[in-house]
Amino acid sequence: NAGVTQTPKFQVLKTGQSMTLQCAQDMNHEYMSWYRQDPGMGLRLIHYSVGAGITDQGEVPNGYNVSRSTTEDFPLRLLSAAPSQTSVYFCASSTSRQGGKETQYFGPGTRLLVL
Amino acid sequence: SQKIEQNSEALNIQEGKTATLTCNYTNYSPAYLQWYRQDPGRGPVFLLLIRENEKEKRKERLKVTFDTTLKQSLFHITASQPADSATYLCALDIGSGNTGKLIFGQGTTLQVKP
Repeated sequence: NAGVTQTPKFQVLKTGQSMTLQCAQDMNHEYMSWYRQDPGMGLRLIHYSVGAGITDQGEVPNGYNVSRSTTEDFPLRLLSAAPSQTSVYFCASSTSRQGGKETQYFGPGTRLLVL
Repeated sequence: SQKIEQNSEALNIQEGKTATLTCNYTNYSPAYLQWYRQDPGRGPVFLLLIRENEKEKRKERLKVTFDTTLKQSLFHITASQPADSATYLCALDIGSGNTGKLIFGQGTTLQVKP
């Protein structure tokens, strides 16, 4: 299994541009989440999903959209990038099977710079 | 809103000693609490989970305690090694326990010196 994969690894945007951060997992996990990580702030939950077609907001959802049309993919969209969205973005997945729904498997991250 | 605080941003210890990291939380009674390890430039990796009805959990040289009265978890690494140097994050569930909806502390960076 590749686990959780994220693309791109690094991206530079200009203010106002839009882009989609891709996240995919091949473990058939029901739960997927997006976090951002900023220095001194820890990981903050942006959006999460408990299954295909079901998404909900986390702590810091403003400026981001998500959809979950398949179990495997959970893309994060920035509609109009702002410098405040400069961060490292992590996607994570988990499953209620094997008694481990709470354990998150993280991807390698996407480093985003908004100028 | 729920807050998690980890005792310090950085902790330096000598190889062979026990490292103790602290995680305090407020305004919630989580069903469980987790600890993750994060190396520079990489995503966090799960280490241990402890439930509200468990006082202590161990895994090899790692030990986690959970005091729901004090609203605190302690994370211990015994016989520490330079390879244990990393950032350690605590996280707790703020959902119903069925969603894996977590909030994280800001992390403590541990440096183990030979």
